[in-house]
Amino acid sequence: DTAVSQTPKYLVTQMGNDKSIKCEQNLGHDTMYWYKQDSKKFLKIMFSYNNKELIINETVPNRFSPKSPDKAHLNLHINSLELGDSAVYFCASSQGRQFSYEQYFGPGTRLTVT
Amino acid sequence: GNSVTQMEGPVTLSEEAFLTINCTYTATGYPSLFWYVQYPGEGLQLLLKATKADDKGSNKGFEATYRKETTSFHLEKGSVQVSDSAVYFCALIPYNNNDMRFGAGTRLTVKP
Repeated sequence: DTAVSQTPKYLVTQMGNDKSIKCEQNLGHDTMYWYKQDSKKFLKIMFSYNNKELIINETVPNRFSPKSPDKAHLNLHINSLELGDSAVYFCASSQGRQFSYEQYFGPGTRLTVT
Repeated sequence: GNSVTQMEGPVTLSEEAFLTINCTYTATGYPSLFWYVQYPGEGLQLLLKATKADDKGSNKGFEATYRKETTSFHLEKGSVQVSDSAVYFCALIPYNNNDMRFGAGTRLTVKP
């Protein structure tokens, strides 16, 4: 069984479009995250979401908005896509906002903006 | 602030060579420390972790010891295999929140 799943795995789209990436976890975790991995493999936290509490990394443009219909899902919606948004986006989850709990990662979504 | 610094790669080794990937951290208090591995085309997988000083995490022949005095968590393996080729990330979670911070990643290539 897949623990953290993301769809789609690949997404190619044009500048200016709006797109969404879906994430689901079946681990019963309370906290979910979105990360962006750039071409140099550097991972940067974008959001964490726990029990309707959203924590936003202040460097993330407001074109990015996470949406959580329930605690097993955290979708990422991106408006007005730009070339610089091209990256691999990873969803992750952890047991809660407790210390030392490791995060479980999805397989990633490679977004290419042309 | 909290941060992780890893040795820059890429690292290329022959099969059965000894591996060390250095990782040092900056954090207040006692963070939890992790090594994640990312195989080509895949997401990150937890490799090992340590949650307090002098703990040793180990998995699949890899080891890392939490050294508070040197603020380090170096990854080691005695004999690498071609299948160990991947990108390795050192990471920490601070003692007072769940904000995981990653190092820049070190790409390891093992040649037969």
